[in-house]
Amino acid sequence: EPEVTQTPSHQVTQMGQEVILRCVPISNHLYFYWYRQILGQKVEFLVSFYNNEISEKSEIFDDQFSVERPDGSNFTLKIRSTKLEDSAMYFCASRSRGGANTEAFFGQGTRLTVV
Amino acid sequence: LAKTTQPISMDSYEGQEVNITCSHNNIATNDYITWYQQFPSQGPRFIIQGYKTKVTNEVASLFIPADRKSSTLSLPRVSLSDTAVYYCLVVYGGATNKLIFGTGTLLAVQP
Repeated sequence: EPEVTQTPSHQVTQMGQEVILRCVPISNHLYFYWYRQILGQKVEFLVSFYNNEISEKSEIFDDQFSVERPDGSNFTLKIRSTKLEDSAMYFCASRSRGGANTEAFFGQGTRLTVV
Repeated sequence: LAKTTQPISMDSYEGQEVNITCSHNNIATNDYITWYQQFPSQGPRFIIQGYKTKVTNEVASLFIPADRKSSTLSLPRVSLSDTAVYYCLVVYGGATNKLIFGTGTLLAVQP
C-alpha cells in the first residue's frame, strides 16, 4: 500500500533555531497538507498546497512557517525560529485529487521537541 | 464549515459491536462525512466515507439518515486493537478540502 513518509521521526531543537520537517507524499498525489497535534489536543490544520503554491493556511501558520516542494517529490515545512509552543507532532498528508470524497493519507508524523 | 459533535469517550468489550454517533446539524449540500482513526503517536487513518444512506467496507459501516444531520460509525466485533480515537469529519466541498478535526471519541476496548 502506498504511504506518506516523514523524516525525521523525532527532532529536538533549541528555542530560536530553524527546523525543516520533511515529507514524501504518495507519488501521484496533487494536494499536500501539514497538520500539527500538540500533546493531548486535537489535530489542527496548518496549510494546504496545490500546484506549487499555498491554497489555504490557518491562523497558526504565521510568518515563522513556510512550505516548499523543491524537487517534485519532497514537501517540506520550515519553522524559522522555533518557540517552546511549537513542540508538537507534525503530520504531512496528501490526496490524489480535489473533491470532498477523496481520502487523505497521513504520514506517521515528526515529533518536534523545542527546548 | 459544519461543526461536529461526538461523545468524548466510549467503553466496550471485545467481540461487541460499537456504534459511535456524530451530529453535524449544519452540513452543506456538497459536504461528505468521513471517519478517521488515530492510534497514539500515529497519523490519522481513513476508515470510511459517505454522502447518504449506508456505506460498508471491510472495516466498518457508516449509516447516514436522509437529513444527513448525523451519522453513525459501526464497528462490528471490536478487538483490543480497535482502542483508538475516532474522528467524525465533515469535509467541505471547496477548493482545498482541508480536514477540520474535532476532539474525537476515545474508544477503549477491554478484554
